[in-house]
Amino acid sequence: NAGVMQNPRHLVRRRGQEARLRCSPMKGHSHVYWYRQLPEEGLKFMVYLQKENIIDESGMPKERFSAEFPKEGPSILRIQQVVRGDSAAYFCASSPQDIRDLKNNEQFFGPGTRLTVL
Amino acid sequence: AQKVTQAQTEISVVEKEDVTLDCVYETRDTTYYLFWYKQPPSGELVFLIRRNSFDEQNEISGRYSWNFQKSTSSFNFTITASQVVDSAVYFCALSGITGGFKTIFGAGTRLFVKA
Repeated sequence: NAGVMQNPRHLVRRRGQEARLRCSPMKGHSHVYWYRQLPEEGLKFMVYLQKENIIDESGMPKERFSAEFPKEGPSILRIQQVVRGDSAAYFCASSPQDIRDLKNNEQFFGPGTRLTVL
Repeated sequence: AQKVTQAQTEISVVEKEDVTLDCVYETRDTTYYLFWYKQPPSGELVFLIRRNSFDEQNEISGRYSWNFQKSTSSFNFTITASQVVDSAVYFCALSGITGGFKTIFGAGTRLFVKA
């Protein structure tokens, strides 16, 4: 049973370009979370999605960032017009049920995508 | 508000020494979960333990042990007889209803184990 898959593992973009990060949750998981880890810091929550729905985007920057989790295919985190401050590791996690389900709220993390903005 | 504090930014030990990583958390929830993750130099996150707020029993897994004390809001992690392969950043994290069960991470403690 494959774990959470993220690609690409490393992504280099120039300022002003777009970055698209993909996350395929574990088989049977329909809940996806994105976290950002700035250099030398802990992970910070960005967004929580279920299939075709954004449940909580309280951690997403107001501009340039968007996320989706379509009915078919991976979840996508999209960063438009990247700036140097977007350089970070972006982690995706998935869970089998709603994270608010107390007994089954374990999240499984992917290996992360390291974004470097030149 | 929910918060996780890992006061130790870096710890350096010599192999075979025991080392304790501190974690203090803040939450108003009565039901919450605490976690420890390891992030080796390769960068991935390795899940170590999840503990719910109703279970204060200490846990031991091989050379790892965890001490959960609700009275002091602490969830400390001890590595016994440390090894070079234990060198990593260790994150303590909290998940509770107030935060919509998002996982709140501490800033991490970087552990160096020297041969």
